[in-house]
Amino acid sequence: QLVLTQSPSASASLGASVKLTCTLSSGHSSYAIAWHQQQPEKGPRYLMKLNSDGSHSKGDGIPDRFSGSSSGAERYLTISSLQSEDEADYYCQTRGVFGGGTKLTVL
Amino acid sequence: EVQLVETGGGLIQPGGSLRLSCAASGFTVSSNYMSWVRQAPGKGLEWVSVIYSGGSTYYADSVKGRFTISRDNSKNTLYLQMNSLRAEDTAVYYCARGIGYSSGWWVDYWGQGTLVTVSS
Repeated sequence: QLVLTQSPSASASLGASVKLTCTLSSGHSSYAIAWHQQQPEKGPRYLMKLNSDGSHSKGDGIPDRFSGSSSGAERYLTISSLQSEDEADYYCQTRGVFGGGTKLTVL
Repeated sequence: EVQLVETGGGLIQPGGSLRLSCAASGFTVSSNYMSWVRQAPGKGLEWVSVIYSGGSTYYADSVKGRFTISRDNSKNTLYLQMNSLRAEDTAVYYCARGIGYSSGWWVDYWGQGTLVTVSS
């Protein structure tokens, strides 16, 4: 069964970098995933599609501060030069499966 | 510019029916994977249903047999017919466009959402 696992929360300081993780369940380590951002009281926004080899394609208008990488069954979203508006929930998704989301707090 | 506009949400009694619509512009619905995703109050995103460009449809176990996804190619519109509604169906429902290949599919555009409240 395909499951995407995310840590419930993360935090980092304004101007710093943070790396969020999405882990694919056993047997699905080659799958590509998509990362989505949901700011408070807003709808989700597509950030990027991330392949197993770390290549990624970002959505319209997504800043260069957002990047993706992969290692085995892990898919990462790195946000550099954190800004206050990056405080949001981040979800990974592939097919009809969503991770539980990571709530990012910018200190 | 890709746009997805959902309508049809509202307050409905348990056991009732509702049809959501998603009017698309900037692309052709029938050429893409189109999905419905919901979010209960204070909860995460939950996939509900998808219709592939070829017409195949799939549903989450929680809605199978009660919800039906469809599209009207002439109107470039996606629908979700929801029957036998339950309190646990209360959520914001998002229409989403997907990019799909034989290896899978991923959402790349979202609508703004429409709230469905199931309550007596």
